[in-house]
Amino acid sequence: DTEVTQTPKHLVMGMTNKKSLKCEQHMGHRAMYWYKQKAKKPPELMFVYSYEKLSINESVPSRFSPECPNSSLLNLHLHALQPEDSALYLCASSRITSNEQFFGPGTRLTVL
Amino acid sequence: GQQVMQIPQYQHVQEGEDFTTYCNSSTTLSNIQWYKQRPGGHPVFLIQLVKSGEVKKQKRLTFQFGEAKKNSSLHITATQTTDVGTYFCAGLVSGTYKYIFGTGTRLKVLA
Repeated sequence: DTEVTQTPKHLVMGMTNKKSLKCEQHMGHRAMYWYKQKAKKPPELMFVYSYEKLSINESVPSRFSPECPNSSLLNLHLHALQPEDSALYLCASSRITSNEQFFGPGTRLTVL
Repeated sequence: GQQVMQIPQYQHVQEGEDFTTYCNSSTTLSNIQWYKQRPGGHPVFLIQLVKSGEVKKQKRLTFQFGEAKKNSSLHITATQTTDVGTYFCAGLVSGTYKYIFGTGTRLKVLA
């Protein structure tokens, strides 16, 4: 299995809602990433988990809260988002942090 | 802050012509990866370069990593319509786990 899966594919939420994005991989990778990508822009790194520990938080606002419950799962909890947070949220994994990254198909988030 | 710039931003070529995108980092990189993202899709890994001056080839694609490990290039020979997409470099900042994606080059191939 060389796939990273993400759910949901699309999400529309209001500014007062709480929702979660989920990411799963079964490749035995020990590094997992969250990226944010706006239209026609490159992916921007948000968080890096290495061996289930948060290694990097790229000064992301606290309304985004990552969680790595085990080595296969990565969640992104969302609360009180702003319309400018609307974007494609990509999850990726790699064997270790310096290896090729496998990206999931992303969750397209719209904040109303 | 750390930046990775790519040029050109856009490139339109006739099928069969060659194409090159250049990637320049403001900081030294431990390695550089290249990704292709089709419209509506997600980034797909192409190659990773680690050594200073390294050159790797994949069929019609040639990748280079600069001697100072701050720049890289991707050259496609005889483009095909299937090469359409945005090509991103992604550099691993030395001493960190942080990847910075380049600004990307969007390639259109006219049949």
